[in-house]
Amino acid sequence: DAGVIQSPRHEVTEMGQEVTLRCKPISGHDYLFWYRQTMMRGLELLIYFNNNVPIDDSGMPEDRFSAKMPNASFSTLKIQPSEPRDSAVYFCASSQGDGYTFGSGTRLTVV
Amino acid sequence: SQQGEEDPQALSIQEGENATMNCSYKTSINNLQWYRQNSGRGLVHLILIRSNEREKHSGRLRVTLDTSKKSSSLLITASRAADTASYFCATLYSGGGADGLTFGKGTHLIIQP
Repeated sequence: DAGVIQSPRHEVTEMGQEVTLRCKPISGHDYLFWYRQTMMRGLELLIYFNNNVPIDDSGMPEDRFSAKMPNASFSTLKIQPSEPRDSAVYFCASSQGDGYTFGSGTRLTVV
Repeated sequence: SQQGEEDPQALSIQEGENATMNCSYKTSINNLQWYRQNSGRGLVHLILIRSNEREKHSGRLRVTLDTSKKSSSLLITASRAADTASYFCATLYSGGGADGLTFGKGTHLIIQP
């Protein structure tokens, strides 16, 4: 298994642009999580899905953030419009219920 | 708010020594997990301990859990340079309805060769 695959690895965009982050979870894992990591705030849970259904999006900071999981093998996290304070590393993780498997993350820089 | 808080924030020891990291949390939990993160990489799951367990071992790792004190410790024995990384505790609280882990800010461990 290739693990959790995230793309792109790095993204640099200008303020106001739309950013889409992508995640392919491990096959058979029925939970998918999106986290954001910054030095100041550490790892924050943004949203998670169970069997493709969003369960808890209370961590999504603003309406500018949205996430979808159209099928069991793909999820997106979209930021529109992006702002410099959105700069962070965004991780996707999947799980069958206990330990999580994390992707390598997307380092987002908004200038 | 962060559920777990690791202590110390940073730890530097000589190769071969044991490293101990602590984690405290605030509310009742279902389980507590430890993860490792190497610089620029994703987190790797190390070990999970459930609320009804007190100690668990995995290779050179030993985890303890004291639910009365709401604390856990991670011991890495006979440390190696490759153990240099940040270590995070994460808790799944038992409040029901939420399956997402809450992470602490981590302990940065440096193993001096």
